[in-house]
Amino acid sequence: ETGVTQSPTHLIKTRGQQVTLRCSSQSGHNTVSWYQQALGQGPQFIFQYYREEENGRGNFPPRFSGLQFPNYSSELNVNALELDDSALYLCASSLDTQSSYNEQFFGPGTRLTVL
Amino acid sequence: AQTVTQSQPEMSVQEAETVTLSCTYDTSESDYYLFWYKQPPSRQMILVIRQEAYKQQNATENRFSVNFQKAAKSFSLKISDSQLGDAAMYFCAYRSITGNQFYFGTGTSLTVIP
Repeated sequence: ETGVTQSPTHLIKTRGQQVTLRCSSQSGHNTVSWYQQALGQGPQFIFQYYREEENGRGNFPPRFSGLQFPNYSSELNVNALELDDSALYLCASSLDTQSSYNEQFFGPGTRLTVL
Repeated sequence: AQTVTQSQPEMSVQEAETVTLSCTYDTSESDYYLFWYKQPPSRQMILVIRQEAYKQQNATENRFSVNFQKAAKSFSLKISDSQLGDAAMYFCAYRSITGNQFYFGTGTSLTVIP
């Protein structure tokens, strides 16, 4: 059983550019959540995908968007990058149903630096 | 919106001693989950312990236990017999039963002194 993986590990972009971050969920998991963790802060919930549909969103602007694929891997896209988007981006996967919650497993994160 | 507060940015403990990390939260809901996560320097976040609000009994996982005070909205983590490998950032988190959004505190950095 493989764990949650994320790519790339590190990324440097300039303001105004677009970026795509990738997450492979743990085998058998159907739910992926994305978080932004600024330096010295706790993770902030961006959104969650459940069976390829967005299933909840935090207080992030529309330039943060995502996808979940049939194999339950996921992408986080950020358009028009701003300096404040510099952070560690974490994804977490879990096996959820409509009526129950199960433990989420985190990936190692992608460190995004916006110059 | 729910908020989670960790008022201790840094804590230290001697190896083999006991340390307690504090967490308070604010919610109007009656049923929810509370968590403690550990984030070692390698960054991968792992679950330490979980508590369901409807359970009065405090959760325990080996050397880790919680003191859950629902009325006070307090959820502290006790680490007994501290080990060098316990050094990490610890985050308290909240999730409602019906929702799917996690709310994290700002974390407590724990140093274990040999």
